[in-house]
Amino acid sequence: RKEVEQDPGPFNVPEGATVAFNCTYSNSASQSFFWYRQDCRKEPKLLMSVYSSGNEDGRFTAQLNRASQYISLLIRDSKLSDSATYLCVVSAYSGAGSYQLTFGKGTKLSVIP
Amino acid sequence: NAGVTQTPKFQVLKTGQSMTLQCAQDMNHNSMYWYRQDPGMGLRLIYYSASEGTTDKGEVPNGYNVSRLNKREFSLRLESAAPSQTSVYFCASSEFRSYEQYFGPGTRLTVT
Repeated sequence: RKEVEQDPGPFNVPEGATVAFNCTYSNSASQSFFWYRQDCRKEPKLLMSVYSSGNEDGRFTAQLNRASQYISLLIRDSKLSDSATYLCVVSAYSGAGSYQLTFGKGTKLSVIP
Repeated sequence: NAGVTQTPKFQVLKTGQSMTLQCAQDMNHNSMYWYRQDPGMGLRLIYYSASEGTTDKGEVPNGYNVSRLNKREFSLRLESAAPSQTSVYFCASSEFRSYEQYFGPGTRLTVT
């Protein structure tokens, strides 16, 4: 079983739509959770961290359910510039001040005019 | 402040050739990482270096070696390239005890 699983998509949505991505993880020892964004042929970049209490950054809302080992990302009022691949990422401490990240395969989003 | 830089950006190798991918960061980060990204596989950790002078294997270390040359530089070597090593390679770095990793622009490697 893959450690971090995501629906690969693609999700094709019109501008202004609300879209939700889901992710599950298998390692109950995972300590921290993130969504990264990766544009086509570019490097991944941190979009936002995910907390159990839920957190919001503008049009983006992330949620974590530790009991179900489930992470979500909601994008409201989609913009063309939101088109990218969204990577679900979990982190575990690997010692000596370093954390190992485990990445999902990503969910591709295309926002259509 | 360039962040994380990688050279080369593109490379084509023949099976059996060797090469070294270079990575440098100017953010004074302690930890550095090498990943590969393949279609349908996501990013997978090859090796990492928690601090200068230490290196450890990740999920897919076979066929690779690394050197943490100093705090800034972390290189990845392919001793005898194989077609299965065709991939996009990303280097990343992070501060001590920080979750966030900063990625370089990647090296696209093709082995024929």
